[in-house]
Amino acid sequence: GAVVSQHPSWVICKSGTSVKIECRSLDFQATTMFWYRQFPKQSLMLMATSNEGSKATYEQGVEKDKFLINHASLTLSTLTVTSAHPEDSSFYICSARGGGWDTEAFFGQGTRLTVV
Amino acid sequence: QQQVKQSPQSLIVQKGGISIINCAYENTAFDYFPWYQQFPGKGPALLIAIRPDVSEKKEGRFTISFNKSAKQFSLHIMDSQPGDSATYFCAASGSNYQLIWGAGTKLIIKP
Repeated sequence: GAVVSQHPSWVICKSGTSVKIECRSLDFQATTMFWYRQFPKQSLMLMATSNEGSKATYEQGVEKDKFLINHASLTLSTLTVTSAHPEDSSFYICSARGGGWDTEAFFGQGTRLTVV
Repeated sequence: QQQVKQSPQSLIVQKGGISIINCAYENTAFDYFPWYQQFPGKGPALLIAIRPDVSEKKEGRFTISFNKSAKQFSLHIMDSQPGDSATYFCAASGSNYQLIWGAGTKLIIKP
């Protein structure tokens, strides 16, 4: 299957700082990228959907000014957690799919964010 | 109507046994039903998926059974192995490709 590379796999940052997480599709063009958040022992919660070249669509309750998503190219999307606080600590996962009706979504390996 | 209900929450199966996880959905517009496997600290990986035009799909030890009239689908893992111990998620999506996730099942295979 196709490869989605997510970086970093883990990060620790101080409260009040910003953190950027990258998601790259290595061998296909990602028309759509999804960003998820996962709490321990829970399911994935969709944060936002982004299509290349357009603004991301955020799910209800997700602060777009706090979680900045950029999908500037067909192979790269970034999630920036701005002014991070301990409650933002979580496992963040990106997913990418190409165009066409029958293309599956491929997932990155996830990023463990710890805000201290 | 967007929910996908998954059961059981946790499952313990002896090595060599059959693991069965069930999901039910409400939205009849869903047309893609994948199962994902997730190991601790990793992103989910697609295991097998089915579309509603077939009632069963088999890939190796993994089988999806799909009942369109009952709006249910299940994952069967034959000859379960300790390496299958993971959390399994069912999901469903429609024309917008947004996956609606089940709550997950933690599967433990006892040697």
